[in-house]
Formats: sequence, structure tokens, C-alpha cells
Amino acid sequence: DTAVSQTPKYLVTQMGNDKSIKCEQNLGHDTMYWYKQDSKKFLKIMFSYNNKELIINETVPNRFSPKSPDKAHLNLHINSLELGDSAVYFCASSQDRLNTEAFFGQGTRLTVV
Amino acid sequence: RKEVEQDPGPFNVPEGATVAFNCTYSNSASQSFFWYRQDCRKEPKLLMSVYSSGNEDGRFTAQLNRASQYISLLIRDSKLSDSATYLCVVNTIPISSGSARQLTFGSGTQLTVLP
Repeated sequence: DTAVSQTPKYLVTQMGNDKSIKCEQNLGHDTMYWYKQDSKKFLKIMFSYNNKELIINETVPNRFSPKSPDKAHLNLHINSLELGDSAVYFCASSQDRLNTEAFFGQGTRLTVV
Repeated sequence: RKEVEQDPGPFNVPEGATVAFNCTYSNSASQSFFWYRQDCRKEPKLLMSVYSSGNEDGRFTAQLNRASQYISLLIRDSKLSDSATYLCVVNTIPISSGSARQLTFGSGTQLTVLP
């Protein structure tokens, strides 16, 4: 069973479109995250949710909106996609928001054309 | 200054070699430290946690120096399968997020083990 699963794995779309990436974890973890990994392979946190509550919202454009319907799911919706949004987006979860290990999904490779 | 800094490499070493990676972090309030491994086009996975007393897992040894804010990873007897990017990770409290902690990743050190 996949612990953290995200869909789709690949997403190619045109500028200006709106798209969503879904993430689910079956580990019973309280905390979930979205990370962006750019072309230089640098992993940067975007959002963190703890028990459906937003606890970290780093400097990302308002076009990015996370939604957590329950603590096992954290989806990412992106409006008006831009070329610079092309990257790999990783969902992750951890048992809590303290000092515990994070488990990552396989990533969604987003290409905006 | 970046919160977590690593030598990006690449490190190209022959099989059987010993290789060491270094990492420094800027937030002295950081409380937990990890090394993650990321294979090409895959997700990061935890390699090992790093404890103040130093810890070893088979061929891998991690060290932490809190006074110098420095973390290291030593790989002995390198295998071809060790080829990957090694990410230094620090659990910090970002200024923008109150008391919430987050994992901050270094940019990674690329290792290629050659036959």
C-alpha cells in the first residue's frame, strides 16, 4: 500500500489554465505538506496543515490554494498557471509537526507550456 | 545566508571509497536533524536521523556539532547503489509561522559512485 499518494504523476497544461493536484496519506499522520522542487532541485515548503488547519503558508502566490477536507487529504489548486510554475510538487506527511520524519509522495511533475 | 547549506558537488568516487558530506545550518534553535536521500526523478526518503552523540547505521555515520551548527554524513565502502543526491534537513521554526516547525532542506549533494 502506498503511504502517501498523489495524482497525477505528470501534468502538462497551457498557461492560464487552472489545475489541481490531489494527495492522500494512509499513515494516520496529523500533519501534511506541499513542497515545490524547482529545476535546480531545491525543495521549498509551500504549505503545512495540521489536523486540517493551516499552520505554515510560505511566500507563494495567491494563485496557489491548498484545501484539506480531512487530515488524510491535502489538495493543491493552482489558478492561472504561469510558465514559472513548472516544477515537481511533492506532498508529504509526518506524524506531527514537531521533530518527526516526513514521508513523501512520488511527486507531480507539472509542465506549463 | 541560506538556512541550510550544503556543498552541491558533484562527488564522483570509485566503488569502495569513503566519502563525506558536510552541511551547516543557520538557526541555532533547530532541534532535529536528518539526512534524506533522493534518487533521480524520485521522492526524497529518510536515510537517517542525526543525534547529538553521533549515530551509525551500517556503512553510514552521521555527526552533529551544535556549537558549530554543522552536520556531516560519512559513507564507507561506497556502492554503486549509493549514487543519489543527499539532502541535509533541519527542523526549524520559520519566522513567518509562529511556533510551527518545518523541515528545511539543503539544496543537496550529488554523489556518483563509479565502477
